[in-house]
Amino acid sequence: DTAVSQTPKYLVTQMGNDKSIKCEQNLGHDTMYWYKQDSKKFLKIMFSYNNKELIINETVPNRFSPKSPDKAHLNLHINSLELGDSAVYFCASSRLAGGPSYEQYFGPGTRLTVT
Amino acid sequence: DAKTTQPPSMDCAEGRAANLPCNHSTISGNEYVYWYRQIHSQGPQYIIHGLKNNETNEMASLIITEDRKSSTLILPHATLRDTAVYYCIVNNSGGSNYKLTFGKGTLLTVNP
Repeated sequence: DTAVSQTPKYLVTQMGNDKSIKCEQNLGHDTMYWYKQDSKKFLKIMFSYNNKELIINETVPNRFSPKSPDKAHLNLHINSLELGDSAVYFCASSRLAGGPSYEQYFGPGTRLTVT
Repeated sequence: DAKTTQPPSMDCAEGRAANLPCNHSTISGNEYVYWYRQIHSQGPQYIIHGLKNNETNEMASLIITEDRKSSTLILPHATLRDTAVYYCIVNNSGGSNYKLTFGKGTLLTVNP
């Protein structure tokens, strides 16, 4: 069984469109994240949610809106897509931080291409 | 979070041990050292973490110096599938800041 899954794997769309990426984890984790990996391969955190509550928002344009319907899901909605949004987006999850077992489990990524 | 310094690339022969260094001279007392890797076109994968003592699991060993200013990840018998970018990250897992800050990492190439 896939621990952290994302859909779609590839997403090609035009500038100005609105799109969503879905993420689900079946690990029973409390915390979920979205990361962006740009063309230079730098991996940066965008958001994190703990028990459906937003706890990190790393200076991401408000065109990006995460939504967590329940603890196992964290979706990413992007409005008015721009060329610079082209990247690979990774979802991740972890147990609640506060102890030594803080490893994050990453999904396979969604490659977004904006034309 | 403390910054880390890693060599941009390393080579290793298949079957030999791969020793990946990381400097984290500004690490604070409650920060853990984590290692992740990213195989091409995949999501990052957790490898190992430690605070003070050396750690070993089925994937690798982590050697942390006594002053905690540097560490070494050891893959005891590297295979071609271990070719990946390896990230050394220091993080205070006891705080409310749950994010991982990835640097540029080390591209390890395992050669046949």
